[in-house]
Amino acid sequence: ETGVTQTPRHLVMGMTNKKSLKCEQHLGHNAMYWYKQSAKKPLELMFVYSLEERVENNSVPSRFSPECPNSSHLFLHLHTLQPEDSALYLCASSLRGQGWTEAFFGQGTRLTVV
Amino acid sequence: DQQVKQNSPSLSVQEGRISILNCDYTNSMFDYFLWYKKYPAEGPTFLISISSIKDKNEDGRFTVFLNKSAKHLSLHIVPSQPGDSAVYFCAASSTSGGSYIPTFGRGTSLIVHP
Repeated sequence: ETGVTQTPRHLVMGMTNKKSLKCEQHLGHNAMYWYKQSAKKPLELMFVYSLEERVENNSVPSRFSPECPNSSHLFLHLHTLQPEDSALYLCASSLRGQGWTEAFFGQGTRLTVV
Repeated sequence: DQQVKQNSPSLSVQEGRISILNCDYTNSMFDYFLWYKKYPAEGPTFLISISSIKDKNEDGRFTVFLNKSAKHLSLHIVPSQPGDSAVYFCAASSTSGGSYIPTFGRGTSLIVHP
């Protein structure tokens, strides 16, 4: 248990569905991340929220929409996804201040788009 | 263009022997390096890190070596145990200029045989 909790753990959705992934941390961290892990590829950074700023990877399609209502919660809203979006979606958090701490990851949401 | 490369997708080692996992990077701005370990169906967990001001960091059975001139780091596990079987990700970041977001390699799958 790393202190970063993701729900649901598994999700199967159709291409016309709308769903949301949730991430929660109570580690006192002030930066939260969404990563995508596809088979045989590096972990791909999708979005970062840090000190209320959002940084995104410009290659992420608009069908993925993040939301960070506060420093403890992060959502990833999914809309009209494609089968190639099937992957493990990982949330992480870290502390950004004068220093930097390593990122703590959640267990991930295994997403299957049918 | 991969900035962090783990060229060996897999490594098989006998229990009790040394495991050496390698990682190369191209971005000379990287100054903080981490290793994560990932079991199936779980998120990555932080293992060990090293700052560019050091060339070695040791934590129990795990030692990370950094060769800045070669832009190369390695993780040594001695002695290897079957429970070490997992995917190991190398990550690098630049702590200067606030660019703290880690970039990951593709991972190396380590199998330790009893």
